[in-house]
Amino acid sequence: EAQVTQNPRYLITVTGKKLTVTCSQNMNHEYMSWYRQDPGLGLRQIYYSMNVEVTDKGDVPEGYKVSRKEKRNFPLILESPSPNQTSLYFCASSRQGLNSNQPQHFGDGTRLSIL
Amino acid sequence: AQSVAQPEDQVNVAEGNPLTVKCTYSVSGNPYLFWYVQYPNRGLQFLLKYITGDNLVKGSYGFEAEFNKSQTSFHLKKPSALVSDSALYFCAVRDYVDKLIFGTGTRLQVFP
Repeated sequence: EAQVTQNPRYLITVTGKKLTVTCSQNMNHEYMSWYRQDPGLGLRQIYYSMNVEVTDKGDVPEGYKVSRKEKRNFPLILESPSPNQTSLYFCASSRQGLNSNQPQHFGDGTRLSIL
Repeated sequence: AQSVAQPEDQVNVAEGNPLTVKCTYSVSGNPYLFWYVQYPNRGLQFLLKYITGDNLVKGSYGFEAEFNKSQTSFHLKKPSALVSDSALYFCAVRDYVDKLIFGTGTRLQVFP
């Protein structure tokens, strides 16, 4: 089954404790992206990757890191989490191409609470 | 800059009645427009898209959307709502680097 898998689904942690949210897709998609969803703000892009070893900042990259060493994986790293990073996070992937019209496939989300 | 607006936070409709969820956009060039639906505790699911061609686009679960270039709108519609359609709906436009720019979402509540 074609899917985007995120882990963990839920995490409660404390300020400053490094964490990684993993994302894996099995569709051989070039494009991958991380979003955060906050009430009243919709989804905002954190980082995206057009292909292996290529990553770029989205709209709200501060406090986050990503890597794309393999095509299928795109982990999101919070080196020193803070309470304002408490949010619902989504990973997405799609076939890529400038001006591509392909829809993005989303994971089921990771709810992070930073105390 | 590209942007999307969903003017209604919530839309309430009775089961069996037609529904409309509004979306307006602002883009330079030709827009690639999308609708996604989010059910509780799930990620966004693709419903339909407009790229070019017919202004009326048909999608999943009986939904359709009408592209109106003069009004810069892309409203989501369904002729007869179901209780199971209750969810959060997002309109989005794709920019030139494949980034999706989302609206703030509209919660659709269908009452039995």
